[in-house]
Amino acid sequence: DAGITQSPRHKVTETGTPVTLRCHQTENHRYMYWYRQDPGHGLRLIHYSYGVKDTDKGEVSDGYSVSRSKTEDFLLTLESATSSQTSVYFCAISERGGRNEQFFGPGTRLTVL
Amino acid sequence: RKEVEQDPGPFNVPEGATVAFNCTYSNSASQSFFWYRQDCRKEPKLLMSVYSSGNEDGRFTAQLNRASQYISLLIRDSKLSDSATYLCVVPPTSGTYKYIFGTGTRLKVLA
Repeated sequence: DAGITQSPRHKVTETGTPVTLRCHQTENHRYMYWYRQDPGHGLRLIHYSYGVKDTDKGEVSDGYSVSRSKTEDFLLTLESATSSQTSVYFCAISERGGRNEQFFGPGTRLTVL
Repeated sequence: RKEVEQDPGPFNVPEGATVAFNCTYSNSASQSFFWYRQDCRKEPKLLMSVYSSGNEDGRFTAQLNRASQYISLLIRDSKLSDSATYLCVVPPTSGTYKYIFGTGTRLKVLA
């Protein structure tokens, strides 16, 4: 299995609080991605990174920001959590993007009350 | 037309049966595809890559039909452990970084 970890694995928080999710990889892959998965929607891209300090928005980026200060870590921040951000969040990595497969972390289950 | 479409199922099949799922895609420029397997409340895991006409790995066969723009996944001799959701994924084409995910087809293999 690819070396990807996510923390925390579960989190319950209250509306309006900031939340940061961490993705850590040991594969030295260049590309990293954050997705959310909700019933009926499949996986939707929030943000992605194509290198250290190089990030871009995905299709559902409103209310989220990211940072990547080193190759192995990609942080996702919910600036002010809302109940609509209750979801399962997956991090993924890819060696070269493009045709390459993605490998996923175990996910973070976030509940916003 | 959606970028990637899958029949959500569920497909309920008895152990030992052969089952096939299709996935249609809209971008004719797509050259490669992936099938992922996702168990309930777990992360998607790569099952097969499809780079040309098809690929086979044990009981699993993936086929690509470029003319009709669909890929299929065939599972032979189904096992109880094959019960999962199968996601069709189209990787980025030139100049983009976006992987397109289908919503998945749910398979239940029954004893």
